[in-house]
Amino acid sequence: DTAVSQTPKYLVTQMGNDKSIKCEQNLGHDTMYWYKQDSKKFLKIMFSYNNKELIINETVPNRFSPKSPDKAHLNLHINSLELGDSAVYFCASSLRDRSYEQYFGPGTRLTVT
Amino acid sequence: AQSVTQPDIHITVSEGASLELRCNYSYGATPYLFWYVQSPGQGLQLLLKYFSGDTLVQGIKGFEAEFKRSQSSFNLRKPSVHWSDAAEYFCAVGANTNAGKSTFGDGTTLTVKP
Repeated sequence: DTAVSQTPKYLVTQMGNDKSIKCEQNLGHDTMYWYKQDSKKFLKIMFSYNNKELIINETVPNRFSPKSPDKAHLNLHINSLELGDSAVYFCASSLRDRSYEQYFGPGTRLTVT
Repeated sequence: AQSVTQPDIHITVSEGASLELRCNYSYGATPYLFWYVQSPGQGLQLLLKYFSGDTLVQGIKGFEAEFKRSQSSFNLRKPSVHWSDAAEYFCAVGANTNAGKSTFGDGTTLTVKP
C-alpha cells in the first residue's frame, strides 16, 4: 500500500564512499523529486524528473547524480561522500500538471563518518 | 520568486490548549498552499492544502487553516492540542509553473507540555 517508498531508511558510510538511495512510487505519477533536509530541518529541492527527463537541477554538487529508469523510479547516486552530505533525503512524486501537490516518501537518513 | 516565512521557530503549548502556527508567503499569482507535519524521525505528512474556493480548509487530525489573501497568510490552527501533535510543521507554497518547484518554510517546532 505504500505510496512512495525509499530504501534504505538509514545509511551510515565513510567519507569517500559511493552510495545510492532508491525511490519508488505506485501512485501512477509521472514526476518525481529529491529533497535534502539538513540538520536544521531546512528542506530544499535538489532535482525533479518528468517521464525520465530532468526538469529541475538546483545548485547541487555534480557528485550527486539522479537516475530515473522509468517514471515510477528515481534513484540518487552520490559519489565521493563528504561529511556535509549527512542529511535526510526525501523523495516525492506528483502528476506533472499538479506538480504543486507532492507526496513524500519516509526519508533516508544518511550519515557520513 | 516564491517564498515562505514561518516567523515562529519554536512554540510551546499546554495539552488541551489552542494552537496557531503562522505562515506568510510571497507569490505573484494565486498560490497553492500546504501544511505538512513531520513527527520525530518520520517523513512528511500532508495535513491540508488550499488551491481555491473556501478560504477555510479542513485537514486531518483536527487541523484547519485559513487563507487570507490580504495578509498573504495561511495560518494553521487546532482548537485543542494533543501530546501526539508535538512535531515539526512546515508550510509550503507550490506552483503549477516553475516545473513544480515547491518552496518550504523553515519549519516550526511544536512542543506540547503535559
